[in-house]
This record gives sequence, structure tokens and C-alpha cells, in this order.
Amino acid sequence: DSGVTQTPKHLITATGQRVTLRCSPRSGDLSVYWYQQSLDQGLQFLIQYYNGEERAKGNILERFSAQQFPDLHSELNLSSLELGDSALYFCASSVGWGTGEYNEQFFGPGTRLTVL
Amino acid sequence: AQSVTQLGSHVSVSEGALVLLRCNYSSSVPPYLFWYVQYPNQGLQLLLKYTSAATLVKGINGFEAEFKKSETSFHLTKPSAHMSDAAEYFCAVSDLTGGGADGLTFGKGTHLIIQP
Repeated sequence: DSGVTQTPKHLITATGQRVTLRCSPRSGDLSVYWYQQSLDQGLQFLIQYYNGEERAKGNILERFSAQQFPDLHSELNLSSLELGDSALYFCASSVGWGTGEYNEQFFGPGTRLTVL
Repeated sequence: AQSVTQLGSHVSVSEGALVLLRCNYSSSVPPYLFWYVQYPNQGLQLLLKYTSAATLVKGINGFEAEFKKSETSFHLTKPSAHMSDAAEYFCAVSDLTGGGADGLTFGKGTHLIIQP
């Protein structure tokens, strides 16, 4: 158990809909990262927040957005869903920012999104 | 931009045999390199990481990897495979060109199969 929690575990929805995925980082971690794992694209970095502020952006679509709240939990919002958005969405957390020697990312178990 | 290539989407070895999973990276500056393992229906777990200290890195569960700058490689090895090693393995890279604030770039993954 990494200490990172994600809810829900599974989500099934229809095209055009909007969903929210939630992540609670490990106690004491200030950074939250979101990744998407799909058969087509593999594991891709989406976005990172550090202490409530957006820190880095990866291959995140404009239909997707995220935020980190004062209690440090984070939500990933996916809107106007398409079939191709079906994937496993991982959240990771770390103490600080960057990927240096002392800033290991700990991954949650993921949320499996199925768009029908 | 950095990238990672994992040779072989599937690798099959016999129990007790040597495990060798290949990873080559492309980065404009010396990177940090990571190997993660993903068991079915679980998140990613860090096996080991290279952060410019010793080039031979020892990780958990008997795995180790050697950073070879001349070959731009970071292959993962284990002397004797266990049935419990069956999983998906991901090589990942980061570099410091973005000021250190960036997510990881992952390879496509290698599925390790252990034959009894």
C-alpha cells in the first residue's frame, strides 16, 4: 500500500459525459501528479500540482482539467468524454517537486474509466 | 525532449533463470532513470532509480540495473527469476531541462512471463 488513495476504483459512463476522479496523496506529500495509461498511448504524464499550484503540464487535453485543494487532495475532471478516453488514470504523490533523488513518486491503485 | 525505448513487449524466462529487461533512453542532458513494476490490478511500485551516483543501482526484490552513458542504456537484471516476478515492468526517465518540475516519461512496458 503506497498510501495514495484514489476514488472511485471503477467508473463507467457514456460519451459526452463529465466525470471527476479524486486522489488523496500520502500524508506530508505536497505534489500530486496525474497519469493516463491506455493501450494506445501507454503511460503518459498529464499534469502536476504542488501545494495547490499547477507546476507542470504534460499531454493533457483541453477537455481535461485538474485542481489541488487546500487539504492537498486533487481532482481530475474529464469532460465531453470520448471512447478514446477509456483508460486507467493514476495519481502519484511526492514530498516536493521535480524528480530528484529524494523526491520519489508513489502511485495510487488507479481509477479505471470506461466510456461507452 | 526525453524518451525511453523498451526492447521487447514480452519477455519469457524460466524460473531460476536470468532476467534481463532492456531500456534505452534519449535525453539532451544526463537524466534520472527509474524502473517501476506493476502487478495486475495494482499501481506502480518503484524498483530502483539512478540519480547520478553509482552507475550500478540495487533495488528491491533482488533487481539491479546498470547505467551506461556510452550506450544510453539502463537495463534491468535479476540473477534468478521467481514466479512472483511475473508483472509489467516500466522504464522511466526524467531530465532537469524543465527545472526539475516535470512528470516522468515512461517506456511502453515489458511484460515478464515466468515459466515453471
